[in-house]
Amino acid sequence: KAGVTQTPRYLIKTRGQQVTLSCSPISGHRSVSWYQQTPGQGLQFLFEYFSETQRNKGNFPGRFSGRQFSNSRSEMNVSTLELGDSALYLCASSQAGGSYNEQFFGPGTRLTVL
Amino acid sequence: QKEVEQDPGPLSVPEGAIVSLNCTYSNSAFQYFMWYRQYSRKGPELLMYTYSSGNKEDGRFTAQVDKSSKYISLFIRDSQPSDSATYLCAMISRAGGTSYGKLTFGQGTILTVHP
Repeated sequence: KAGVTQTPRYLIKTRGQQVTLSCSPISGHRSVSWYQQTPGQGLQFLFEYFSETQRNKGNFPGRFSGRQFSNSRSEMNVSTLELGDSALYLCASSQAGGSYNEQFFGPGTRLTVL
Repeated sequence: QKEVEQDPGPLSVPEGAIVSLNCTYSNSAFQYFMWYRQYSRKGPELLMYTYSSGNKEDGRFTAQVDKSSKYISLFIRDSQPSDSATYLCAMISRAGGTSYGKLTFGQGTILTVHP
């Protein structure tokens, strides 16, 4: 079974630009969560999507947004990039449902903002 | 104050040593506790998951949860160089009907096991 895939793996942008990152979950998984990982703040939850609806949201500004498609693939968008947005962006998928299911993480997209 | 505090390390131990990794938390609504391992340039992978207070063992790994003290630990016995990685504790709160999709992580501890 293929794991979670994220594209692109590396990205360099300049301040003020916007960026879109993509995540393909494991087949059959309906929940996709996004996280930002930085040396200073560690891993922080951005949002979770389930059945094309945002189910949870972390404490990030509105410049961070996401969506999920009917095939469970998800994208996140960051507008008006700032230097502090440089980070590893991880997505994780799970089967979801009414009980705990393991979240499987992708390798991440490394975003550098210059 | 962060909801989850993790000893930042880094930790350097000789091969064969017993490693103890710890996290404390302030949110009593946390009910599910996990330990993830993250190798360089990879995403985190789940090592252990526990729900109740007490110990859970899986091979060389033992996860311990003390809900009364809001303290969790991961013990690694007979540590190997291949255990060198960043270890992250993570927790889930179900307060207010929050789904299982939101993990709250500790800062992570970098562990190096040298031969």
